[in-house]
Amino acid sequence: DVKVTQSSRYLVKRTGEKVFLECVQDMDHENMFWYRQDPGLGLRLIYFSYDVKMKEKGDIPEGYSVSREKKERFSLILESASTNQTSMYLCASSLGGTSGGYTFGSGTRLTVV
Amino acid sequence: AQSVAQPEDQVNVAEGNPLTVKCTYSVSGNPYLFWYVQYPNRGLQFLLKYITGDNLVKGSYGFEAEFNKSQTSFHLKKPSALVSDSALYFCAVRSLNQGGKLIFGQGTELSVKP
Repeated sequence: DVKVTQSSRYLVKRTGEKVFLECVQDMDHENMFWYRQDPGLGLRLIYFSYDVKMKEKGDIPEGYSVSREKKERFSLILESASTNQTSMYLCASSLGGTSGGYTFGSGTRLTVV
Repeated sequence: AQSVAQPEDQVNVAEGNPLTVKCTYSVSGNPYLFWYVQYPNRGLQFLLKYITGDNLVKGSYGFEAEFNKSQTSFHLKKPSALVSDSALYFCAVRSLNQGGKLIFGQGTELSVKP
């Protein structure tokens, strides 16, 4: 089975801290995505990457950056965490092309206090 | 613009009854449509997808979905609901650009009571 692993299930960080959320997939997928999930808003795309060292902004990139130095790893970085970034963060990966679905990680619930 | 709408925030069904979770979409061209399920404090799990072919798509856990081009709908169905089906369900459409990103609906909470 394809596995997408997010390093932390729960995180509590202080306002202003730099936060790293890590995601690793083991099936050689080209595409990787970071979403945040908030009640009533569904999933919103923050950033995605379709190749190593490539990154593209999604719908809500402000306050975030990403890094993809290796194909299997896609990191989301909160440069200076704020309380409005308290959310569930979901990483996903997929093969290239448009017909396949995503495989999701279990999510990281981040609380910024 | 491509979009997906799930008109119901919550659906309540008695165990053993059929269930329907509604989804409508707006895309240019042929849509690639997906359903995912999310159990509490977990990531999303793939249920089924429509790419082309038969309008009735069968997926995991006894779920199926009917693609209706004229009504631009892709409703999720199950003939007999189980309490364990209670979860959050998301409909999604694949974008033709931006790396083929999935555009998600806002989700529908399904509650199946014994």
